[in-house]
Amino acid sequence: EVQLLESGGGLVQPGVSLRLSCAASGFIFSTYAMNWVRQAPGKGLEWVSAISGSGGSTFYADSVKGRFTISRDNSKNTLYLEMNNLGAEDTALYYCVRQYSGSYRIFDYWGQGTLVTVSS
Amino acid sequence: QLVLTQSPSASASLGASVKLTCTLSSGHSSNTIAWHQQQPEKGPRYLMKLNSDGSHTKGDGIPDRFSGSSSGAERYLTISSLQSEDEADYYCQTWGTGIWVFGGGTKLTVL
Repeated sequence: EVQLLESGGGLVQPGVSLRLSCAASGFIFSTYAMNWVRQAPGKGLEWVSAISGSGGSTFYADSVKGRFTISRDNSKNTLYLEMNNLGAEDTALYYCVRQYSGSYRIFDYWGQGTLVTVSS
Repeated sequence: QLVLTQSPSASASLGASVKLTCTLSSGHSSNTIAWHQQQPEKGPRYLMKLNSDGSHTKGDGIPDRFSGSSSGAERYLTISSLQSEDEADYYCQTWGTGIWVFGGGTKLTVL
């Protein structure tokens, strides 16, 4: 059974940094691209960042480019999101999401999310 | 620019059928999309992959009541024999070069 378990969220002040983690199990982690998707309170889904299975390719939404860094440790089956210079607009539930294998870049498994609240 | 357009809301009666629409922006009418369901206070769940020819592959455990179809730039999600637990937000999702995109979501109310 595929499981994605996020952690690392919390209440932080504007301008600080935070690192989210996602522990994956139930599949061969290194063979799947992974993503972070967020959802602000009462809003829709927003793609944040993607990383290839090897970690050699990364992609970011314009809203986080230059502030967030996605990475992975395939030996630990873990995905990370390093978030710097956080602002109120980054307040959201952050989901770890697996990408469908092969050429279809859709999402097929979701975690339950970890909440990040940025407030003074 | 790659954009997915969904109606904000839809409603249908218990036991009836409903068809939700996701429209791809100009130049992207051949894109494959995914449909995701988000029940109240829960994380999203993948429903299916839907190709431009209407062929679709459902996720694990998705009931037969859920089906997909396509016409041009439109992608449809049909839910038949509506049940109370189908009341949820439904999102379509696709990708471009280095970007991934969601529609704004449709809130389905089961009357």
